[in-house]
Order: sequence, then C-alpha cells, then structure tokens
Amino acid sequence: QKEVEQDPGPLSVPEGAIVSLNCTYSNSAFQYFMWYRQYSRKGPELLMYTYSSGNKEDGRFTAQVDKSSKYISLFIRDSQPSDSATYLCAMSHYGGSQGNLIFGKGTKLSVKP
Amino acid sequence: SQTIHQWPATLVQPVGSPLSLECTVEGTSNPNLYWYRQAAGRGLQLLFYSVGIGQISSEVPQNLSASRPQDRQFILSSKKLLLSDSGFYLCASGGEDEKLFFGSGTQLSVL
Repeated sequence: QKEVEQDPGPLSVPEGAIVSLNCTYSNSAFQYFMWYRQYSRKGPELLMYTYSSGNKEDGRFTAQVDKSSKYISLFIRDSQPSDSATYLCAMSHYGGSQGNLIFGKGTKLSVKP
Repeated sequence: SQTIHQWPATLVQPVGSPLSLECTVEGTSNPNLYWYRQAAGRGLQLLFYSVGIGQISSEVPQNLSASRPQDRQFILSSKKLLLSDSGFYLCASGGEDEKLFFGSGTQLSVL
C-alpha cells in the first residue's frame, strides 16, 4: 500500500459547484497536512496547512483532517474557472522539514464556465 | 514571505551535455532547500535536500548532483545528461513547520 493515495481525476465540474478532493494515507504518525495548488507549468503553491486533526477554513476553501480514518479532504465552495488546476495533498510526520513531506500524485480539476 | 527564483523556465539540451540549474531564495535566512522532479503521472520526486551550506542529502541514486555554495543558493548539476533526465524540476524552500514554498520550475527536455 502506498503511503499517500490520491485520485488523479480528471475531475470536471460546472462553475459554482462544490468540489471535494480527497487523499488517504497509511502512516498513522502523520501530523502535518497540506494542500497545494499547481497551475500548468508552474510550481505548486501552498493553499492550506493543518496540524493534527480538525477543520480549517480560508475563504472558499475548507480543509478537513480525519486521523481516525486516515483521510483528508479539501472542499472548494462556489468553484470558479480560475480554480482549474492540479491539487496535491502532502503530509509529514514530524517537524524539522528534513525532506519528509510525502506528496500525493495530484488531482486535476477543471471548472467549466 | 519568501520568494524562490528559479531559471530558466524552459531548457532543451542534447544528450551528453552538462546541466546547471540555479535557485535563489529571498525573504528568509538559513532555509532548508530542496530539488524535486515532477514527471507526468508520477508526482513529485525528491532528489536532494540541504539543511545548510555544503550539506547535501541525496534521496535517489541518479545522474545528477547538487551543491549549496551560499545560504540561499542551491544548484542542480549534471556532467552528462541522459534522456531519462527530462522532466519538470522544482526548487523549494522550507522551515521547521514543514511548509514548502516552490519556485516556478524548469521544464527540461533532453533530446
């Protein structure tokens, strides 16, 4: 079983839809959870950051972590064509940033006007 | 906030030629620095990371090398490129909280 699994999509939704993106993981020691957004031929940009369990909201974006199920989600409300990008989940089990961040392979999202 | 400068954006090189990609960081001091490669459908692969000047850790055996001559400068090199070195190369900077900030990437095509 891979450490982090993410459905690659592609996922296509109409403008205004609620989008749900998900990752599952196998390592129960993961504590840091992130979502990155990557536009075509650009570097990933950090979108959401969560430590341990719970929810975090930032504008139209909500990140959820369910450690009991080893499952994280990113919800996008009122999706816009500008949200069309690849979304990568990432996680790590301890601080110090020694190259421990594990990335999902990304889900490609397309929001149609 | 930090800014990661990475260039060039696109590079086409013949097999057997040398490579040098440079990355510089602004807005932070003593960052951890990373080189990733991203191939279609394969996600991000960590190639090298550095916790300080002259300190390089390699994650995978490969045809590439990295150096950190200054605190905020990270260089990816190869003496002779292979076809398999083609890909999208990303430099990243991070700190104690595991957050990574990425540069804009270099698309390398080896022909």
